[in-house]
Amino acid sequence: EAGVTQFPSHSVIEKGQTVTLRCDPISGHDNLYWYRRVMGKEIKFLLHFVKESKQDESGMPNNRFLAERTGGTYSTLKVQPAELEDSGVYFCASSQDRTTAGGYLAKNIQYFGAGTRLSVL
Amino acid sequence: AQKITQTQPGMFVQEKEAVTLDCTYDTSDPSYGLFWYKQPSSGEMIFLIYQGSYDQQNATEGRYSLNFQKARKSANLVISASQLGDSAMYFCAMRAMYSSASKIIFGSGTRLSIRP
Repeated sequence: EAGVTQFPSHSVIEKGQTVTLRCDPISGHDNLYWYRRVMGKEIKFLLHFVKESKQDESGMPNNRFLAERTGGTYSTLKVQPAELEDSGVYFCASSQDRTTAGGYLAKNIQYFGAGTRLSVL
Repeated sequence: AQKITQTQPGMFVQEKEAVTLDCTYDTSDPSYGLFWYKQPSSGEMIFLIYQGSYDQQNATEGRYSLNFQKARKSANLVISASQLGDSAMYFCAMRAMYSSASKIIFGSGTRLSIRP
């Protein structure tokens, strides 16, 4: 079974340009997440899709970031225009969450891709 | 607010020795899950082990075990009989387990280097 795949693995762009990152989740996973790690800092949550709907986008830094998941399959994360502080590694993860009778999540593992390293010059 | 603390930025261990990577956490959620991920130099984040806050026993997965001490809010990862391939960055992470919870909170990571 294929894991989470991300493309490209590395992108180098100039400040002000646009970049689009792509994530293909594990087949059948309804939940898709984006995270990023800026140099020297922890990995931070950006947003969460359930199928094609945005469940939580509280981590999106500003309106230069636009995430989509048309059809509930792959997702794209567009940065427009890119700024120097956007440099870092962008991770995508997917999971197939199950809920217990009490309304709590069962053991739900988020499986991550290898990330896209974005360098804004 | 949730927080994960990993106090060891780097560790060196001799091959075949056991190693413990420290992780403490803070949360007010009654139900939560603790995770460890491994990130080798290739970049992918590999899930290693999971511990639920209500699990009675410590989790084990092959050479990995999680020393879960709920009262102390610690979830240390123990790797037995370390191998050269264990050299990587290790992240401790946590997630609230109520159904609308989304995000995983990560620690800053520990870089483990295994000496031959």
